[in-house]
Amino acid sequence: QVQLVQSGAEVKEPGASVKVSCKTSGYTFTDHFIHWVRQAPGQGLEWMGWINPKSGDTKSAQKFQGRVTMTGDTSINTASMELDSLTSDDAAVYFCARRAGNRRHYDNWGQGTLVTVSS
Amino acid sequence: QSVLTQPPSVSGAPGQRVTISCTGSSSNIGAGYDVHWYQQLPGTAPKLLIYANDDRPSGVPDRFSGSKSGTSASLAITGLQAEDEADYFCQSFDNTLSGHVVFGGGTKLTVV
Repeated sequence: QVQLVQSGAEVKEPGASVKVSCKTSGYTFTDHFIHWVRQAPGQGLEWMGWINPKSGDTKSAQKFQGRVTMTGDTSINTASMELDSLTSDDAAVYFCARRAGNRRHYDNWGQGTLVTVSS
Repeated sequence: QSVLTQPPSVSGAPGQRVTISCTGSSSNIGAGYDVHWYQQLPGTAPKLLIYANDDRPSGVPDRFSGSKSGTSASLAITGLQAEDEADYFCQSFDNTLSGHVVFGGGTKLTVV
């Protein structure tokens, strides 16, 4: 079955960077875009961007441009998202999600990675 | 402020029918882009409930249904059960700002 398993919780100081990984299994990694979505405590979902694992192409929300790097490693079927220059506003649960196809919905999600930003 | 607008909360008694609205604009839902719905139980990842406006993934009960008209979409839940208590989010695509995915702010469903 399709699985997306994310790396564990992180605690970072303001100004630092965080890298979250998303290991996939149960399907062909290069057949589906991986998107990143975050959720601040008690808040809604916020789209961050996507990576096409086949080509390596990425696109990020304007808000994160210049601060987010999304990569994919086809040898280990894993996508990663690195966010730089963290502030307290970046404290959130970060999810990876598999785009199902050309209808732009997400049929499988990672379990989420809690990122805490604190000095 | 979310691009798609949802009521913060709705409630209903077991067995009743509730609807959750998702209002957008001419650059997203009104432009013809699909609307998808997710259910999020506390402390868990969102789960796909409805995709492409009114399709249900296998395993989702037919108590859940979706519709779309103009710049809005709705999720209906009939035969409300205690286990339906969760947060519900709508999602679509917006063709402004170089095009990107947009979500509603979420609706907390309480089964009273």
